[in-house]
Amino acid sequence: SQQGEEDPQALSIQEGENATMNCSYKTSINNLQWYRQNSGRGLVHLILIRSNEREKHSGRLRVTLDTSKKSSSLLITASRAADTASYFCALEMIGAGSYQLTFGKGTKLSVIP
Amino acid sequence: AAGVIQSPRHLIKEKRETATLKCYPIPRHDTVYWYQQGPGQDPQFLISFYEKMQSDKGSIPDRFSAQQFSDYHSELNMSSLELGDSALYFCASSLEAEETQYFGPGTRLLVL
Repeated sequence: SQQGEEDPQALSIQEGENATMNCSYKTSINNLQWYRQNSGRGLVHLILIRSNEREKHSGRLRVTLDTSKKSSSLLITASRAADTASYFCALEMIGAGSYQLTFGKGTKLSVIP
Repeated sequence: AAGVIQSPRHLIKEKRETATLKCYPIPRHDTVYWYQQGPGQDPQFLISFYEKMQSDKGSIPDRFSAQQFSDYHSELNMSSLELGDSALYFCASSLEAEETQYFGPGTRLLVL
């Protein structure tokens, strides 16, 4: 499969702890994006990291990309109960038509107050 | 800021019926994407349009068709609905020159 594989599938942490989610993939990419989805709701774009970038920050989010290992991680620091959601990595693959995204299976994060 | 608008938000249909989902992209966005997300699944790319022309096609069944109109809104037409078509259907829009896709709230389709 060319889609991203995320781990863990589910993660439960206490409020204030850090949460790390990983995404591995098999093909070459233009960029990798992380999205958040509250249960049954729309997808919210969090951050985009291009293939020539190694790390990006946005608020409490830190994303890394290792193209040699074909993997990315999303770190949420000082988690809050409101961070409870599913997090998806989405790949924009080289050679794919338009900018279609191929999503991973997602990590379901639960932050316990 | 204006977001992607999808209508209807919820739709219930019987098997073999037809359904039309509508998507209104963010103003000035010229590219529209459709995704299908089954229960507990990740979103799957269906089809995309750039400047009213189909730009890419994914796992869209032959029973489905879509188009983008002159005002850039898009419609996904689904015929001969099957139980397995029950899903969340997302529309996303972007500027062709930019990579970030902004998703709408989705249309939840239930086929009985």
